[in-house]
Amino acid sequence: DGGITQSPKYLFRKEGQNVTLSCEQNLNHDAMYWYRQDPGQGLRLIYYSQIVNDFQKGDIAEGYSVSREKKESFPLTVTSAQKNPTAFYLCASSMGTESYEQYFGPGTRLTVT
Amino acid sequence: DAKTTQPTSMDCAEGRAANLPCNHSTISGNEYVYWYRQIHSQGPQYIIHGLKNNETNEMASLIITEDRKSSTLILPHATLRDTAVYYCIVRDSFGNEKLTFGTGTRLTIIP
Repeated sequence: DGGITQSPKYLFRKEGQNVTLSCEQNLNHDAMYWYRQDPGQGLRLIYYSQIVNDFQKGDIAEGYSVSREKKESFPLTVTSAQKNPTAFYLCASSMGTESYEQYFGPGTRLTVT
Repeated sequence: DAKTTQPTSMDCAEGRAANLPCNHSTISGNEYVYWYRQIHSQGPQYIIHGLKNNETNEMASLIITEDRKSSTLILPHATLRDTAVYYCIVRDSFGNEKLTFGTGTRLTIIP
């Protein structure tokens, strides 16, 4: 089945630790995205990548890092510099530029204590 | 991207048509109107999008006013599974990948 997978569904970490969230797609999409969602809020863009080996900061990139070494993979690292890392993280992909819809994964709920 | 305004919440009886309004008075000529929905604790799901003309697919219909300053998403026969937060988003088509999600409309389908 084609789609986007994120793992794990729930993730718990201690404050001060870096953590990497996985995002894989087999849709052959060029563009991939990471969003953050806080309770009762809409989604905010962290990073996006339009092509392999290239990515751009979104609205709230501070404290996060990404890589795009393969077309199908776009991992997100939440570093210890991120002041409020506890949130619901969503990965998405799309065919590319212009008016293409984005397909979302099921999300990873990260809790940092 | 232009901003959108949606009601915070709405109720609709099961089996009836759900009409979700969205105002986007500052929309520009190259911006599309997109609708997504998010069922609790899941990733958003694309529903439909349009530029000027009304659009229909297997999920919903999108009615855009002639001046393009507002639109309505119509779910023709709402079911309990349509209970979700619905987001109206405007986005240009020229290389801007960003989707700006507001807080959306929480639609509750009543049995």
